[in-house]
Amino acid sequence: SQTIHQWPATLVQPVGSPLSLECTVEGTSNPNLYWYRQAAGRGLQLLFYSVGIGQISSEVPQNLSASRPQDRQFILSSKKLLLSDSGFYLCAWSVPGPVGEKLFFGSGTQLSVL
Amino acid sequence: GESVGLHLPTLSVQEGDNSIINCAYSNSASDYFIWYKQESGKGPQFIIDIRSNMDKRQGQRVTVLLNKTVKHLSLQIAATQPGDSAVYFCAENDPDSSASKIIFGSGTRLSIRP
Repeated sequence: SQTIHQWPATLVQPVGSPLSLECTVEGTSNPNLYWYRQAAGRGLQLLFYSVGIGQISSEVPQNLSASRPQDRQFILSSKKLLLSDSGFYLCAWSVPGPVGEKLFFGSGTQLSVL
Repeated sequence: GESVGLHLPTLSVQEGDNSIINCAYSNSASDYFIWYKQESGKGPQFIIDIRSNMDKRQGQRVTVLLNKTVKHLSLQIAATQPGDSAVYFCAENDPDSSASKIIFGSGTRLSIRP
């Protein structure tokens, strides 16, 4: 069966520090991978998605970047965090279903930038 | 469309009653829609999906209705239980994207009265 691992679960970082969040998927090949961000009590904002190794589409201009060094690994990074980068970060993968393509989410990383 | 900046509207329902959560979309070319349930501190979970060539799809205690004429989607939960308390998001495949880009609506918080 397919599983998605996302870590860490919580992270407290000072302003100006770097960031690296990692996500890995098991049990599937060539998945589409996604990074979403969610502010407290708000909806989900698509940050990046990837349809293959080295292929990254950016949705929101900001100081974050994403990379996909391996088929089932998706990394979210920043060189210098801002206060506004605080939020709940969710990695997801998708697979075609009988009706269409559906997302499966990781457990999320709660990032607090202080 | 994406409304990540809005506070979540709340629906309060008596336990045992049916719940109806609504969602509007703007792109008439959207052809695939999904409902997700997000419990506090967790990633969203897939509930049910529907393609635009259907107007109704049923699952266990849930039904999704699609009205393409008015670009409206609804999720009906039968005999609402305390475990149904969560935030519910509708999502759609972006028809203007060449890849599988999935955009979330603003979400509705469902609370259950005992």
